[in-house]
Amino acid sequence: DTEVTQTPKHLVMGMTNKKSLKCEQHMGHRAMYWYKQKAKKPPELMFVYSYEKLSINESVPSRFSPECPNSSLLNLHLHALQPEDSALYLCASSHYGGQQETQYFGPGTRLLVL
Amino acid sequence: KQEVTQIPAALSVPEGENLVLNCSFTDSAIYNLQWFRQDPGKGLTSLLLIQSSQREQTSGRLNASLDKSSGRSTLYIAASQPGDSATYLCAVHTSGTYKYIFGTGTRLKVLA
Repeated sequence: DTEVTQTPKHLVMGMTNKKSLKCEQHMGHRAMYWYKQKAKKPPELMFVYSYEKLSINESVPSRFSPECPNSSLLNLHLHALQPEDSALYLCASSHYGGQQETQYFGPGTRLLVL
Repeated sequence: KQEVTQIPAALSVPEGENLVLNCSFTDSAIYNLQWFRQDPGKGLTSLLLIQSSQREQTSGRLNASLDKSSGRSTLYIAASQPGDSATYLCAVHTSGTYKYIFGTGTRLKVLA
């Protein structure tokens, strides 16, 4: 199994809602990543988890809260988002979190904040 | 700071043509480079991965080359089909970092 899965595929939420995005992989990878892609822009890294610990936060606002409950699962909790947070959220994984590793990307969750 | 540029930004070709998409990057110290396909409103599909020690990779009608010293990669699509219509992104994994830096993509339209 060489797949990274993400749920839901689409999400619409209001600015006062709390929602979560889910990412799962069963490749035995120990590093997982969140990227954000705004319309007509390239993806940009948000967070890196290595061995279930947050290792990199690219100065992301606190209304985005990542969580890695186990080595196969990565969540992104969303609260009090703004319309400008509407984007495609991509998850990726790699073997151990070493800098030289290849990252494998999921299909993404498309988020619309109203 | 790594910068990745893709030319052209958009391309429209008749079906059956062979075509080349270009990707250039400013820092040649890279681990690998990936080419992705993205359909409108969809996520990323990885097409080809080239490690820094490799010169090219092939998959079906796709061939990607890498010239690290000149900071360039090309994606060659043979006998293009309307189903190839999508945005093609290249992404560079720079040495000493955790993240991929993506280009802004080439929007390809293959006309039937």
